[in-house]
Amino acid sequence: DAKTTQPTSMDCAEGRAANLPCNHSTISGNEYVYWYRQIHSQGPQYIIHGLKNNETNEMASLIITEDRKSSTLILPHATLRDTAVYYCIVRVATGANSKLTFGKGITLSVRP
Amino acid sequence: GAGVSQSPSNKVTEKGKDVELRCDPISGHTALYWYRQSLGQGLEFLIYFQGNSAPDKSGLPSDRFSAERTGGSVSTLTIQRTQQEDSAVYLCASSLGGLAGEQFFGPGTRLTVL
Repeated sequence: DAKTTQPTSMDCAEGRAANLPCNHSTISGNEYVYWYRQIHSQGPQYIIHGLKNNETNEMASLIITEDRKSSTLILPHATLRDTAVYYCIVRVATGANSKLTFGKGITLSVRP
Repeated sequence: GAGVSQSPSNKVTEKGKDVELRCDPISGHTALYWYRQSLGQGLEFLIYFQGNSAPDKSGLPSDRFSAERTGGSVSTLTIQRTQQEDSAVYLCASSLGGLAGEQFFGPGTRLTVL
């Protein structure tokens, strides 16, 4: 799986948008970009994924650059419960390589 | 519906003892994964089951670790002759498999080897 690079940490104010960047300059054409998060003492939680088009769901938006070498996860209105470690992962979709390879992620702290 | 469940939630054992950790995936999910997370570390892949295919065991750290999945549903991760470095949270995940299937994680089993 392609390696991803994320800042170690960031913070944002409650109610504001949180923009979490991720670099994946060696991504292959058949690899998707996934975002998971892990709230303290819980298992990871899927957020969103995409291939090349921007994606939006009830939790977040994923913006992928045209060259696919980087992406940004956007939490439009961060709440205190969004404080967690966010993992950006790139991987092929199916088969024997579908395991997730987690890096260190970015710790998002949402302040009141 | 019910999510992925794991048991026990906590396990304390003595060095050298064997332990079994159980995972009940979401009904109908054909893919099942085991990961572990040591204190302050990221998640480490252990093993992957997909349907009736041979499992991907490439992440198992030693031959003391083994896993099976009976009837394509429940899975058991067994650690023999536990060592202190085996202490970690063991996480199970399942997915529908297929194109870009998201993984749903259980709450994990916290294993402490004294």
